[in-house]
Formats: sequence, structure tokens, C-alpha cells
Amino acid sequence: GAVVSQHPSRVICKSGTSVKIECRSLDFQATTMFWYRQFPKQSLMLMATSNEGSKATYEQGVEKDKFLINHASLTLSTLTVTSAHPEDSSFYICSARGTSGRATSTDTQYFGPGTRLTVL
Amino acid sequence: GENVEQHPSTLSVQEGDSAVIKCTYSDSASNYFPWYKQELGKRPQLIIDIRSNVGEKKDQRIAVTLNKTAKHFSLHITETQPEDSAVYFCAAQRYQKVTFGTGTKLQVIP
Repeated sequence: GAVVSQHPSRVICKSGTSVKIECRSLDFQATTMFWYRQFPKQSLMLMATSNEGSKATYEQGVEKDKFLINHASLTLSTLTVTSAHPEDSSFYICSARGTSGRATSTDTQYFGPGTRLTVL
Repeated sequence: GENVEQHPSTLSVQEGDSAVIKCTYSDSASNYFPWYKQELGKRPQLIIDIRSNVGEKKDQRIAVTLNKTAKHFSLHITETQPEDSAVYFCAAQRYQKVTFGTGTKLQVIP
């Protein structure tokens, strides 16, 4: 299947700093990318949906100024957690959907491996 | 908005037995229903999916059924093996909007 990478896999930062997480589709062009947050033993919570070249659509309750999303190309989306605080500690997972390359299904989301963020 | 309920939250079966996980959804316009398997600390992996114009789909030991009228769909795993142990998520999708169920932790006892 289609491959999505995510970097870094794990990051520890001090409170008040910003952290950038990258999500890349390696063998297909991702027309849409999604960012999720997952708490231990819980389901995936959609934070935002981004289409290449346009502003992200945030879910209700997600602060767009705190979680900055940039989908600058068809293979790269970034999530920046600004002024991170301990309550932002979580597992962040991106997914991508596209129609070219190995992502032949227009509906299927392919997930990245996730980023474990710990804010001290 | 869409609401997806998933049951049971935990499921233990003996190796070789079958496992069934059920989901219901609320938005009749949802037309794509994927199932994901997530092992601890890893990414969700698509294991099977079904579209709204199909009632059943099978892939080796895994099958999914969809009842559009009742708005529920189920995952069936036959001849379970220890490596089937994981958390399984159902999802209902309409256009770009995907809503996940709360997950089922499946434990296959050798």
C-alpha cells in the first residue's frame, strides 16, 4: 500500500517552545492530509483537514492559532504546536489520501507512524 | 454530525474462535466504511473496507458486512490467531469527513 512517513517519531520539549511535525507521502501525491490526536487507550480525534494549497479546516474545539497546519505541497504537510504546554502532550498521527501513485483508492486514508510529543 | 458507536470495547477469544465487532453510524449519507487495526504504539493499518453499494466483502479470514437500512456494519475475524491481538477501529466516511469508532481491544488467547 501507499506509504506515509512522519518526523520526528518522538520529541520532548520544554513548556513554551514550539514543535514542528512533518508528514510526507512517499509514493503518491496527497491531495488531502489529516491530523489526528490520540490519547492513551482512546480513539483517533480528528484535529484538522488540509488540502494542498489551501487553508486547513479545523474541527470544533481545536485552536487554529495553537496548531498551525501547512500543506504546502502534494507530498508534505506540517503541524506546528506553538507555545506547547504539558496538556499538549499526546500522540499525533497524520494521514494522507490521494489518487496518484500507489494510493489508488480515492477514499482510503494511509496513516503515518505517529509522533509522541512530551512537553515538560 | 456523524456519530459512530463501536461495541464491544474489549473482546477476548480463544485462538481459533471467531471474533465479531459491531459499529453503528448516524449519518445516512456516509458511504465508505474502513476498518483499521492498530498495534500498541504503531500506526493504524487498513485491514478491510466496504462501500455503501456493497453488502458484504471478504478477504481471507476477515469479512465485513454492511446494513445500510439499519446503519450498522460489522467486522468478522475467523480462525483467530495471537497476532490478531490489537485494537480495531471502525470508521464512517462522507466526502472528506471521517469519524472513527471508540475502538475494540481484541485479545486472542493461545
